[in-house]
Amino acid sequence: AQKVTQAQTEISVVEKEDVTLDCVYETRDTTYYLFWYKQPPSGELVFLIRRNSFDEQNEISGRYSWNFQKSTSSFNFTITASQVVDSAVYFCALSSDRGSTLGRLYFGRGTQLTVWP
Amino acid sequence: DTAVSQTPKYLVTQMGNDKSIKCEQNLGHDTMYWYKQDSKKFLKIMFSYNNKELIINETVPNRFSPKSPDKAHLNLHINSLELGDSAVYFCASSQTRDSYGYTFGSGTRLTVV
Repeated sequence: AQKVTQAQTEISVVEKEDVTLDCVYETRDTTYYLFWYKQPPSGELVFLIRRNSFDEQNEISGRYSWNFQKSTSSFNFTITASQVVDSAVYFCALSSDRGSTLGRLYFGRGTQLTVWP
Repeated sequence: DTAVSQTPKYLVTQMGNDKSIKCEQNLGHDTMYWYKQDSKKFLKIMFSYNNKELIINETVPNRFSPKSPDKAHLNLHINSLELGDSAVYFCASSQTRDSYGYTFGSGTRLTVV
């Protein structure tokens, strides 16, 4: 079964602090894909990253970075020097190529990040 | 040009009515999806079409019926609306079968009163 767990329901930080959002996944598939999406108060889902299971390199994009560790089935997301505009709900998601689950995204329950000025 | 557009953005309707939500993508993707986000923000897939063929049909009431006239369009029709159908419905599309380019529409907030 595919499952994504985001244990942190809510996180509050003050601007300029670094914050890490945790994501733990479960799958029996060898080929799978991991995603992070941002949902700001306006409600749309903003794509942040897609990583396939064969690429364990960490990724950095500006103030965002992702740490993918297959050994612990984790795909954590760090925001460096957080800003008020980072306030949103962040979702981690998993998909695989296996027949019955093809293309389907399994979402975690999301982490509400609030950044205070 | 919006990549995945869905209309309407807001829909308020009375119980028992029938309503439709439309979705169109201009990305050339083969696969389209409907997701439902409940009041606790949990996102779950409802349906998926690949080249007009239904490939995922989750356990949803049969009052919900998707229709894909072509691979760029996936509409969602809901009969006999109930209070519990109130949610945000997201359309999405992706390229091929490896979830590449997964793109969501901006969502339709459905409120049943």
